[in-house]
Amino acid sequence: TQLLEQSPQFLSIQEGENLTVYCNSSSVFSSLQWYRQEPGEGPVLLVTVVTGGEVKKLKRLTFQFGDARKDSSLHITAAQPGDTGLYLCRVLRAAGNKLTFGGGTRVLVKP
Amino acid sequence: NAGVMQNPRHLVRRRGQEARLRCSPMKGHSHVYWYRQLPEEGLKFMVYLQKENIIDESGMPKERFSAEFPKEGPSILRIQQVVRGDSAAYFCASSPRSVGETQYFGPGTRLLVL
Repeated sequence: TQLLEQSPQFLSIQEGENLTVYCNSSSVFSSLQWYRQEPGEGPVLLVTVVTGGEVKKLKRLTFQFGDARKDSSLHITAAQPGDTGLYLCRVLRAAGNKLTFGGGTRVLVKP
Repeated sequence: NAGVMQNPRHLVRRRGQEARLRCSPMKGHSHVYWYRQLPEEGLKFMVYLQKENIIDESGMPKERFSAEFPKEGPSILRIQQVVRGDSAAYFCASSPRSVGETQYFGPGTRLLVL
């Protein structure tokens, strides 16, 4: 079974629209990270959240860590073509010290 | 400060040949991780190494795959007797210390098996 479920798997929107992607699990995590991977490149870290309920903003990106530290969301306001990419969440499991990536959400922002 | 470097960026092999993928971590990083990414999919953990030690190889197939991170030189992911199903992008990441640290990724090696 997949430890982390990311949804939706694929999202296509027009420039200027908003979007939200989700990362969910039944397990509790000590920390969660979001990465973006552009076509042909390796993933790049966007943010790390560690506290339940934490909200972090990075320009037009808003990241939220669930109160119970089992889920997270990434919201992009007024998406631009440069936001196109694969968004991956990654967690450090609370027990076992394993690091796991979700399956990713592919975002396509059309001009 | 150079980032994680991987070479080659693209590698074409025929079935049955060997593929050697190299990863030079960021300066000062002693932890290396290898991931595989199939087209249109996410990253799958393969192996985690520190200098001269394999810490976790639970994601690496038992047959044909091996990895090393010698005291000197890059980390090597070796795939022997490649098959078409090995075609994928292989990413290396490094971190300065423990597995809980942020990982910095290289640009990947795209392996195509004909």
